[in-house]
Amino acid sequence: AQSVSQHNHHVILSEAASLELGCNYSYGGTVNLFWYVQYPGQHLQLLLKYFSGDPLVKGIKGFEAEFIKSKFSFNLRKPSVQWSDTAEYFCAVIGATDKLIFGTGTRLQVFP
Amino acid sequence: NAGVTQTPKFRVLKTGQSMTLLCAQDMNHEYMYWYRQDPGMGLRLIHYSVGEGTTAKGEVPDGYNVSRLKKQNFLLGLESAAPSQTSVYFCASSYYPGTAQPQHFGDGTRLSIL
Repeated sequence: AQSVSQHNHHVILSEAASLELGCNYSYGGTVNLFWYVQYPGQHLQLLLKYFSGDPLVKGIKGFEAEFIKSKFSFNLRKPSVQWSDTAEYFCAVIGATDKLIFGTGTRLQVFP
Repeated sequence: NAGVTQTPKFRVLKTGQSMTLLCAQDMNHEYMYWYRQDPGMGLRLIHYSVGEGTTAKGEVPDGYNVSRLKKQNFLLGLESAAPSQTSVYFCASSYYPGTAQPQHFGDGTRLSIL
């Protein structure tokens, strides 16, 4: 069965630090990949998505992610985080089935 | 434009009680989903629907039932609530899965079973 792994469960950074959150998936076929963000007390919002084409995807709020097919990875990056980026981040994939499979999430805390 | 609306937002139940969570979307989406979110486990799909009158099981369907009598509404029922069903429940909808249109999520229902 396809699965999504997020190895960083809790990340703590200072403002202006660079961010990279790991995401690996298990399915070997064609995939659609997503990063969602959940700010405290709010619902999930889409940060960015990859369907095809340029493997470097740019999303909202300065986030980007790179699809590396050979590594089955879709890591999320941001060059300089802000306090307002404090949230939980979920990687998700649609692969063999048409259902969205989520990773367990990474909690990011940014301190001023 | 309300998007996806969930009611209620909070609820406390006693073990064995029943209740229904309502999800309504105004985007004319075909697909609707119910997830539960538990600490350290991300979101897990309970049931989903690919259109009015259809429902299907997701990853964790046991103890839940759903109905999609109208395209805009997707109801999640707990017939006999158990403490293991304490969770935050999210509804989502999408026009089609696996396309450029992502799932849109509601604000969640926090359910506690005592």
